[in-house]
Amino acid sequence: GAVVSQHPSRVICKSGTSVKIECRSLDFQATTMFWYRQFPKQSLMLMATSNEGSKATYEQGVEKDKFLINHASLTLSTLTVTSAHPEDSSFYICSARDQSGDKWTDTQYFGPGTRLTVL
Amino acid sequence: GESVGLHLPTLSVQEGDNSIINCAYSNSASDYFIWYKQESGKGPQFIIDIRSNMDKRQGQRVTVLLNKTVKHLSLQIAATQPGDSAVYFCAEKGTSYDKVIFGPGTSLSVIP
Repeated sequence: GAVVSQHPSRVICKSGTSVKIECRSLDFQATTMFWYRQFPKQSLMLMATSNEGSKATYEQGVEKDKFLINHASLTLSTLTVTSAHPEDSSFYICSARDQSGDKWTDTQYFGPGTRLTVL
Repeated sequence: GESVGLHLPTLSVQEGDNSIINCAYSNSASDYFIWYKQESGKGPQFIIDIRSNMDKRQGQRVTVLLNKTVKHLSLQIAATQPGDSAVYFCAEKGTSYDKVIFGPGTSLSVIP
């Protein structure tokens, strides 16, 4: 099946610094990628939809100036957590949509996640 | 955000028994549903999906049932194995290429 990678898998940073997380679709092109955040023992919460070549669409309550998303190519989207604080510590998961099929075969493939810890 | 759960409900089953995980979805306009399995520290893994024009779909050891009248989805796992221990999420999608929204999840623990 299709593979989505994330880098780094884990990152620890100091409060106030910025952290960039990469999401790559390895064997398919993804015009649309999604970024989720997951706190311990909770569900995945959609943060934003990343569209290649255009601005990301953010979910209500997600600060676009804090979580910068760039989708510069059909295989790469990046999420930058700016001026990170301890409350931003979370598991960040991306997914990439393979739109090569029809409506019913449209499938999102998820990355392995990135564990961010802000000290 | 949407559909964020606060505390994961837990289901414990004996190895070899069948498991049933339930999910209530929120959007009556959703027409595509997916079950995911998430192991600790990993991303979600696709298990099985179902379209809104179906009420049952079977895979290998798994069956998904959909009741649109009461907006209920269930995942049945036959002959549950220790490797099935994980958190299971149902997810819904509204239109053809819409975003996937996750339900609160259920933690399945298999007792050897």
